[in-house]
Amino acid sequence: DAGVIQSPRHEVTEMGQEVTLRCKPISGHNSLFWYRQTMMRGLELLIYFNNNVPIDDSGMPEDRFSAKMPNASFSTLKIQPSEPRDSAVYFCASSRQGLNSPLHFGNGTRLTVT
Amino acid sequence: QKEVEQNSGPLSVPEGAIASLNCTYSDRGSQSFFWYRQYSGKSPELIMSIYSNGDKEDGRFTAQLNKASQYVSLLIRDSQPSDSATYLCAVNIKSGGGADGLTFGKGTHLIIQP
Repeated sequence: DAGVIQSPRHEVTEMGQEVTLRCKPISGHNSLFWYRQTMMRGLELLIYFNNNVPIDDSGMPEDRFSAKMPNASFSTLKIQPSEPRDSAVYFCASSRQGLNSPLHFGNGTRLTVT
Repeated sequence: QKEVEQNSGPLSVPEGAIASLNCTYSDRGSQSFFWYRQYSGKSPELIMSIYSNGDKEDGRFTAQLNKASQYVSLLIRDSQPSDSATYLCAVNIKSGGGADGLTFGKGTHLIIQP
């Protein structure tokens, strides 16, 4: 069974450019989460979806960040325009819906904004 | 404000000894608890989940939960060098039903000395 698939694995871009991160959740999982990890702040929840519907985006740092989930097998996280402080590892995770369901993480996208 | 606190370490333990990792959380509404292991440059992977007070054992790992004290711990018996990693405590809080994003601590860096 394939795990959560993220692309790209690494992204290097210049300040001001648009960045799009992609995620394919595990088949059958109906909850999807975007996290950001930095040394200073650890793992932070940005936004999550249940059944393709955004439930809580209070973790999205600014209007420069947006996320979509057009169907059950695909989600994107977009940053426009990007800034150096956005440099981090971005993880996508999925789970079955339910309080006791653990999250399964993708391999992450390491974003560097110069 | 949901908070999950861990000692950042590093926690150094000799090979073969018991490693004890601790975590406290702020919200009494927390209902499910998870321990993840994260190797450097990798994504978090689930080790243990615990939902009720007491101990839960899985191989060399034991999770302990005390909801009255808002405390959860992970014991690793017969520590091996391969256990050297960062251990993340994660807490889920029920609100409005469905899966909510886990709140993670910043992790404890564990070093097993051969």
